[in-house]
Amino acid sequence: QKEVEQNSGPLSVPEGAIASLNCTYSDRGSQSFFWYRQYSGKSPELIMFIYSNGDKEDGRFTAQLNKASQYVSLLIRDSQPSDSATYLCAVIINAGNMLTFGGGTRLMVKP
Amino acid sequence: DTEVTQTPKHLVMGMTNKKSLKCEQHMGHRAMYWYKQKAKKPPELMFVYSYEKLSINESVPSRFSPECPNSSLLNLHLHALQPEDSALYLCASSQATSGGGTQYFGPGTRLLVL
Repeated sequence: QKEVEQNSGPLSVPEGAIASLNCTYSDRGSQSFFWYRQYSGKSPELIMFIYSNGDKEDGRFTAQLNKASQYVSLLIRDSQPSDSATYLCAVIINAGNMLTFGGGTRLMVKP
Repeated sequence: DTEVTQTPKHLVMGMTNKKSLKCEQHMGHRAMYWYKQKAKKPPELMFVYSYEKLSINESVPSRFSPECPNSSLLNLHLHALQPEDSALYLCASSQATSGGGTQYFGPGTRLLVL
């Protein structure tokens, strides 16, 4: 079992819809959770981080963390074609500083 | 400012060449990282420096040699690489050296080994 899992996609949503990206992790000791956006040929760009159970909102983005069920999700409201990218979920396990990445989900927002 | 810079942006080298990748951050971060990323794969951790000392080496071949001259700079020296080493090399930094600090990535160096 991979430590961090994501559906590789592509996830296709129409412009203006809500895109829902999911990530599960295997280690209950995981403490810190991150979402990065990566455009083709570019480097990962931090979108959100979340440490506590519940929701965290930043503009059109909402991160949701459920430690009991060991999943973290990213909602993108009013999706735009410019949101089309690969979204990487990353987790820091225990007290370390090593990011463990999921395989990424490719999102396509169609006009 | 959360900027990490990397040079060069692109690099083509032969298998007998020696080259270096450079990374710089001026955010006062105490941890710096090298990652390797192949197409359609997530970044793979190579090295971690904490307070200018190598703290993690993820069993990387010796043809990759990291160096941290000071708290703002991180180099990756390359020698006798193989074509399969062609990839995007990413540098990152974080304030925290443990406990889950947020990592910020540089733009990367796209390396092609011929």
